[in-house]
Amino acid sequence: KQEVTQIPAALSVPEGENLVLNCSFTDSAIYNLQWFRQDPGKGLTSLLLIQSSQREQTSGRLNASLDKSSGRSTLYIAASQPGDSATYLCVPFRGGSNYKLTFGKGTLLTVNP
Amino acid sequence: GAVVSQHPSWVICKSGTSVKIECRSLDFQATTMFWYRQFPKQSLMLMATSNEGSKATYEQGVEKDKFLINHASLTLSTLTVTSAHPEDSSFYICSARPSGRTKNIQYFGAGTRLSVL
Repeated sequence: KQEVTQIPAALSVPEGENLVLNCSFTDSAIYNLQWFRQDPGKGLTSLLLIQSSQREQTSGRLNASLDKSSGRSTLYIAASQPGDSATYLCVPFRGGSNYKLTFGKGTLLTVNP
Repeated sequence: GAVVSQHPSWVICKSGTSVKIECRSLDFQATTMFWYRQFPKQSLMLMATSNEGSKATYEQGVEKDKFLINHASLTLSTLTVTSAHPEDSSFYICSARPSGRTKNIQYFGAGTRLSVL
């Protein structure tokens, strides 16, 4: 059974800092991995999708890396802004006939102006 | 990008009544949709997998008679919370997996906040 751990559980930083959010998962036989953000009381917004054959993906100020063999992914946020405040979720996907996703508790990020 | 619409976004109901939540894939067909529940400050927990034209598959501990799922078309799945009670108050989110092409991805709705008085 897949288990996802995200560290830190919560992070509060001043605006402008570069951040690192860490994710580890127990079953490395994944097809891809997605990073989402969830604003309070809202649904999920997909940020980045990394295929298992890739090592990283970039979108604007966001960069996600994947080390599939060690079961780890990292999300880098450059020059953080107050609008980045949200919970960030790392979701590994096993694929095949099993389309179930496993969610951890995420990292609650607060960027202070 | 693919859009999943979830309606209503927020509903308040009296204890004992039933509430229906809709999940629609707007620009793609979805053979499979998923329903999740999220309590405050907790992870999303999968409740059931909804398959078009067949019965839903429920996760362990989820009452199928309480949470009725209907996936009557390739673009619509509904979750009905029957005889709702205050402990059913939660945030419900659906996701949809596109049929055919990009199978190994799910698109999420914006969620429905249910408050049972």
